[in-house]
Amino acid sequence: DIQMTQSPSSMSVSLGDTVTITCRASQDVGIYVNWFQQKPGKSPRRIISRATKLPDGVPSRFSGSRSGSDYSLTIRSLESEDVADYHCLQYDEYPLTFGSGTKLEIK
Amino acid sequence: EVQLVESGGGLVQPGRPLKLSCAASGFTFNSTWLNWIRQAPGKGLEWIALINPDGSSMYYADTVKGRFVVSKDNAKNTGYLQMNNLRSEDTAMYYCARNYIPYVMDVWGQGTSVTVSS
Repeated sequence: DIQMTQSPSSMSVSLGDTVTITCRASQDVGIYVNWFQQKPGKSPRRIISRATKLPDGVPSRFSGSRSGSDYSLTIRSLESEDVADYHCLQYDEYPLTFGSGTKLEIK
Repeated sequence: EVQLVESGGGLVQPGRPLKLSCAASGFTFNSTWLNWIRQAPGKGLEWIALINPDGSSMYYADTVKGRFVVSKDNAKNTGYLQMNNLRSEDTAMYYCARNYIPYVMDVWGQGTSVTVSS
């Protein structure tokens, strides 16, 4: 199975910060990585598709990038509504696998 | 409005079965793949099953293979997850999410909670 090693597991951040979360794939998954945001008590919401694509309705302060087997989610000018858990997913190969998640908290 | 609504969760004893439903509306259900994903309390997301649009191909995580069966009834716009021989480690929130090719997990339901306990 493909492992998605996500870091950090948690971050204490300030409003207005730029935040970067990374997932490293244990083997090549190409562009087949999504990022999801999950607020407390809510279902996940897709915020990045195909490693770098921003779906309609997602604020432009979110962006995704890829460098080799490293996939990153960057949030610029962090807003209070961005406080949530973030998860990466690889869907290149079965079984689909998620990263372990990153919890953003406000300092 | 594009929507998925899960139901059927609850408290169930170990070894007993439970069947979850995922009702779809606002889109062409017979053109979509349907995932089931679960999240144990305080834990991350775990993909567990996927079915193709016409229900002819299914894929499972090893943790549920042989115990869970995914299906869909396109006439009823509903997907199902039949869970057999439930274990305490199956306790989780269960979500369905669609794949509307080329988009993966672009719409999620609100989840239904399953607790396996005697």
